[in-house]
Amino acid sequence: DIVMTQSPDSLAVSLGERATINCKSSQSVLYSSNNMTYLAWYQQKPGQPPKLLIYWASTRESGVPDRFSGSGSGTDFTLTISSLQAEDVAVYYCQQYFTTPLSFGGGTKVEIK
Amino acid sequence: QVQLQESGPGLVKPSETLSLTCTVSGGSIRSYCWSWIRQPPGKGLEWIGFIFYSESADYNPSLKSRVTISIDTSKNQFSVKLSSVTAADTAVYYCVRSKGNSYGYPFDDWGQGTLVTVSS
Repeated sequence: DIVMTQSPDSLAVSLGERATINCKSSQSVLYSSNNMTYLAWYQQKPGQPPKLLIYWASTRESGVPDRFSGSGSGTDFTLTISSLQAEDVAVYYCQQYFTTPLSFGGGTKVEIK
Repeated sequence: QVQLQESGPGLVKPSETLSLTCTVSGGSIRSYCWSWIRQPPGKGLEWIGFIFYSESADYNPSLKSRVTISIDTSKNQFSVKLSSVTAADTAVYYCVRSKGNSYGYPFDDWGQGTLVTVSS
């Protein structure tokens, strides 16, 4: 099974500042035959289902603001919010869809400092 | 955009079977990969399993002995049954669609979720 580990568990960032969330997979989620990385990021606000932000590690879902970006390869990944807005307060999850059982990181709570 | 709506009892007794149905509207269930994901109160996300319109399914090994996912293409619905429930199965249960026709795609459409509490 692939274990997804996120860090930190929570972080507080001032409005307009950068927020960085890390995710590490216990094995590579890069499929060599198509050179695609099977890693997604989701945002979950209280009382709502998760919302897809980023997939293939760095492709932004339609409608997602460009202040959200994903990077990384192999086993180490980062979600960056370049300029934190009040509406970005949420819990963020990474997820691998490389193999079953599909698995999520434990989540990172982002708050305003 | 497709809409997903979970339905089923919000309270289940210990040792009984949890049963939920997801109704898909705005698109056909005959494409894509359809999953159930759960989230205990205040905790993270756990994938339960998925099914295709062909009725081919796969489950999380942690739940495999207790879970069955089925699909009814005539009603555009898919369902989950989880047997022998305990308090640890108390969670919000989401029905979810993958962005493509295999599990090798992210989850792009989610139901609002339904809270199922296991209690006597």
